[in-house]
Amino acid sequence: EPEVTQTPSHQVTQMGQEVILRCVPISNHLYFYWYRQILGQKVEFLVSFYNNEISEKSEIFDDQFSVERPDGSNFTLKIRSTKLEDSAMYFCASSEDRTSGGGTGELFFGEGSRLTVL
Amino acid sequence: AQSVAQPEDQVNVAEGNPLTVKCTYSVSGNPYLFWYVQYPNRGLQFLLKYITGDNLVKGSYGFEAEFNKSQTSFHLKKPSALVSDSALYFCAVRDPYNNAGNMLTFGGGTRLMVKP
Repeated sequence: EPEVTQTPSHQVTQMGQEVILRCVPISNHLYFYWYRQILGQKVEFLVSFYNNEISEKSEIFDDQFSVERPDGSNFTLKIRSTKLEDSAMYFCASSEDRTSGGGTGELFFGEGSRLTVL
Repeated sequence: AQSVAQPEDQVNVAEGNPLTVKCTYSVSGNPYLFWYVQYPNRGLQFLLKYITGDNLVKGSYGFEAEFNKSQTSFHLKKPSALVSDSALYFCAVRDPYNNAGNMLTFGGGTRLMVKP
């Protein structure tokens, strides 16, 4: 069964450092997302990406965050200068193409990348 | 704006008993509703969804959920709980007509504990 894969599974970094989290979405999916979850709590939306551009982003997704699809398979989340409060589990997800009236497809999530900022 | 609430942080049930995990939602139009499960140190796994049609939706692992428009609810149910069902359960909603990003909004999660 196709799956979303994420690397690294765990990254420890110093405050102020740049971090890049990588994701390989399911190959025939066209919508990509990043969510985060702090300490097993609520899953928070960060950004969605479609047709090589951001389609929506939350207030969490400030100027320190960016996303990129550098090639046909990878989808990356960059945090430019990490803060302590960026420590969380970051989940990548993908979904099928949007149908009329909004996509009916469920999101498929990766196993997550745990980011620890010291 | 779309939102979803899970009023219970934790639900405890004995193995073999029926279980219910509650979810209520708020969207401006007709919602698309989803349930996901998260096992420890794992990602979110899709359980089931309601898009249209029958209000009772059946999903993975024997779970089902009932869409109730008048009560704006989408409670998750299972007739007979297993210890292996113990996990964190998330309800999610998408407003298909006011949602340029196609995003899901998740509830706060409910921890299900099934005791032998």
